[in-house]
Amino acid sequence: AQKITQTQPGMFVQEKEAVTLDCTYDTSDQSYGLFWYKQPSSGEMIFLIYQGSYDEQNATEGRYSLNFQKARKSANLVISASQLGDSAMYFCAMRNTGGFKTIFGAGTRLFVKA
Amino acid sequence: NAGVTQTPKFRILKIGQSMTLQCAQDMNHNYMYWYRQDPGMGLKLIYYSVGAGITDKGEVPNGYNVSRSTTEDFPLRLELAAPSQTSVYFCASSYSRAGDTGELFFGEGSRLTVL
Repeated sequence: AQKITQTQPGMFVQEKEAVTLDCTYDTSDQSYGLFWYKQPSSGEMIFLIYQGSYDEQNATEGRYSLNFQKARKSANLVISASQLGDSAMYFCAMRNTGGFKTIFGAGTRLFVKA
Repeated sequence: NAGVTQTPKFRILKIGQSMTLQCAQDMNHNYMYWYRQDPGMGLKLIYYSVGAGITDKGEVPNGYNVSRSTTEDFPLRLELAAPSQTSVYFCASSYSRAGDTGELFFGEGSRLTVL
């Protein structure tokens, strides 16, 4: 069975500093995709970044990067130069390639301090 | 572009009432989903559909029904509402083409309270 684990219910970071949000996953499939979504206090879900299991390079999208360690089954999100607008809930998610279902972790709430 | 449109955004139901949450997408996505998000929690999959006429249960289907008569629409029916169904409901869709990442496109959510 697939599972996503986010062990940090809440994280604090100082503005302009970098922060790492942890995500570990479990799957028996060899081909899968990992995602991070942001949910601001307004409630919408915003796609941030994607990493395929066969991608050799870590994904990057602007200030977001995904630290993918396949052997450890971890897909941590790194946010560089944190901004006040980064304060939100962050969800790690996974979908097996060719599958239909995306499953989500419980989320990490990030607070950025001025 | 409208993307994924959900209605209503807010609704209060009495125990035992029924209602339908509407979801429509204009991106010609084959895959559509309904998730629920309880306070402070992640998203749980209720039902999903891989195309018109095809639906299947997710993790938490009890108390819900869906139909998919067209590619665009994927309504979620709540029968005999219970307080445990108080939640925020998200409809989402995704591409099904080879090579696509499978990123989900979400509606804005529907906040349902059952009293």
